[in-house]
Amino acid sequence: GENVEQHPSTLSVQEGDSAVIKCTYSDSASNYFPWYKQELGKRPQLIIDIRSNVGEKKDQRIAVTLNKTAKHFSLHITETQPEDSAVYFCPRGGQNFVFGPGTRLSVLP
Amino acid sequence: ETGVTQSPTHLIKTRGQQVTLRCSSQSGHNTVSWYQQALGQGPQFIFQYYREEENGRGNFPPRFSGLQFPNYSSELNVNALELDDSALYLCASSLGAGRGRGTQYFGPGTRLLVL
Repeated sequence: GENVEQHPSTLSVQEGDSAVIKCTYSDSASNYFPWYKQELGKRPQLIIDIRSNVGEKKDQRIAVTLNKTAKHFSLHITETQPEDSAVYFCPRGGQNFVFGPGTRLSVLP
Repeated sequence: ETGVTQSPTHLIKTRGQQVTLRCSSQSGHNTVSWYQQALGQGPQFIFQYYREEENGRGNFPPRFSGLQFPNYSSELNVNALELDDSALYLCASSLGAGRGRGTQYFGPGTRLLVL
């Protein structure tokens, strides 16, 4: 199966700063790249996703970029707010998602 | 919020008992996946049901079993509960199964505590 490598494992930023989380994949056939956000005690929530025929997608303060050559895709959050504090996951796999331990983002006021 | 619902929200059982968890998929979705999430970890894939058939299984023992109904709702059954089964159980619904298809939308989860 595919491994999930996500960096960093924890990230602390000041409110208003940007945050970037990177996910590395190994399966060249991957064509779907989602990012999920999970707040404490809540369900994982899809926040943005991208297909392999697109290099970048943006939704307000959130963007995802895909580098197929290097086999990684990144989540970018600009103008971070305290409510962005959560664990972020980039599950891999085709029909069955493989989740890693995620990245814990803390936005400090 | 997604249209995926789960019941019950919380459950306390003792070791050796059996439990049934339920999931109603989002309208129009025909695929349900189940995950186990231990505290501080990412969700671990248990199995997936597509059009009432099991369509992939993770590294979980046979005492974890499931079912999908004609309306695409699903059940997860766990027999002979062990202390390590204490976790948040999540279901996710999607449309279609297979590589690259079917964005998964998660339900709120059932928190199971085994004493």
